[in-house]
Amino acid sequence: GAVVSQHPSWVICKSGTSVKIECRSLDFQATTMFWYRQFPKKSLMLMATSNEGSKATYEQGVEKDKFLINHASLTLSTLTVTSAHPEDSSFYICSAPATVSTDGYTFGSGTRLTVV
Amino acid sequence: GEDVEQSLFLSVREGDSSVINCTYTDSSSTYLYWYKQEPGAGLQLLTYIFSNMDMKQDQRLTVLLNKKDKHLSLRIADTQTGDSAIYFCAELGSSYKLIFGSGTRLLVRP
Repeated sequence: GAVVSQHPSWVICKSGTSVKIECRSLDFQATTMFWYRQFPKKSLMLMATSNEGSKATYEQGVEKDKFLINHASLTLSTLTVTSAHPEDSSFYICSAPATVSTDGYTFGSGTRLTVV
Repeated sequence: GEDVEQSLFLSVREGDSSVINCTYTDSSSTYLYWYKQEPGAGLQLLTYIFSNMDMKQDQRLTVLLNKKDKHLSLRIADTQTGDSAIYFCAELGSSYKLIFGSGTRLLVRP
């Protein structure tokens, strides 16, 4: 089945620094990638939708200058958390729609970001 | 708007059946999914049901869909300790985005 590889799986960074999270579709082309944020014991909140070759679409309330999304190729989408603060600490997960609707959406393994 | 609700917690004894419930609001949803999330991991697709189906069975999993009431359930037969996880229902809404429920934490007691 379709696999999305997400890296890193966890990262600790200092306040004010930037962190890049990568998601790669390994055996299929992902023209669209969804980025979610999950708070502890909470559901997934859709942050933005990245589309290959065009600007990402951000959900209401998500700062586009804070969470930079790039989808430069059909197999790679990146999320950069800029000038990270402790409140950005969270679990970030990417997801790409499978080529067949019945296969659902394939998820990366997630990245746990801790900002200290 | 789109909103998906689930009960937060379910505790069952090993070997019993588990039933996790979900309600959704977007009547135009074409597919409804159940995902499993283990601690610190991403989401794993368990099963799905197309909106014109009432029931789907897949080994130990049975999905029931009541489209009139917008109610979805997942039954896990012979629940095992390895089934302990968070279960999310999700609907593929009219915007082609996955909308997730709040998640149900299933605890299986030995």
